[in-house]
Amino acid sequence: AQSVSQHNHHVILSEAASLELGCNYSYGGTVNLFWYVQYPGQHLQLLLKYFSGDPLVKGIKGFEAEFIKSKFSFNLRKPSVQWSDTAEYFCASKAAGNKLTFGGGTRVLVKP
Amino acid sequence: NAGVTQTPKFQVLKTGQSMTLQCAQDMNHEYMSWYRQDPGMGLRLIHYSVGAGITDQGEVPNGYNVSRSTTEDFPLRLLSAAPSQTSVYFCASSYSRGVSYNSPLHFGNGTRLTVT
Repeated sequence: AQSVSQHNHHVILSEAASLELGCNYSYGGTVNLFWYVQYPGQHLQLLLKYFSGDPLVKGIKGFEAEFIKSKFSFNLRKPSVQWSDTAEYFCASKAAGNKLTFGGGTRVLVKP
Repeated sequence: NAGVTQTPKFQVLKTGQSMTLQCAQDMNHEYMSWYRQDPGMGLRLIHYSVGAGITDQGEVPNGYNVSRSTTEDFPLRLLSAAPSQTSVYFCASSYSRGVSYNSPLHFGNGTRLTVT
C-alpha cells in the first residue's frame, strides 16, 4: 500500500522567511502528487499538482514544489512567507485507481 | 454553483446512536468520496463512489455505510456511533471517474462530529 510521510508536524517562522515542507511517498511506480492547503476553519484547497513533465511545479500564491523521483520526494517551497500563509499543508499521492493517500499534515504558523 | 455542500456543520452524538452525514454536489461530478481528518493522521479515505450505483471501500470503512442513488448525493451513515468516530469529516468530488490532472478533488467545508 502506498503511504505519504510529512516530516514536520509543526513549523513556526517569521514573515519573509523561506518555507520548505518535506514530503516523501512510498509508491515506486507512476504516481501523481499534490499539495493541498487548509486555512483555519476552511476546507482543503489545491495548491499545486504534478502528473508528468517538468519536475518543478508552480502553484498558486507563490508556492512551488519539486518532484525528485530518485528520492521519492515532493517538497513544497515558498521563498518568502506571509502571515496569511498560516495554515495546515497536506501532501497527497495517487497511484493507480481513484484513491488519494494523504500525509499527516504540517501546521505552519507565520508570526507577523 | 454551490460546489460541495455538507450538512450538518457540527453534530454531537451519544455512543450507539446512528446518523447520516449529508453531501451534495451540483457540478455533475462522477467521483465522490468521504474522508475523516484526525490530528497528525491527515485525511483517511472512508468510502468512495465512481458513479451512481457504484461504491467501494477506502482505508477505514468499518462502522460506516454509503450509498449513491443519484449523481448529486453521497450520504455517509454511522450505524452505531463510537467515541473513536469523533473526527472531522470531509466530502470531496471530482469530475472524472477519478482524480486526474484536469479534475482535482473539490472539498466540502466539513462536518465536525463528537461522539460522547
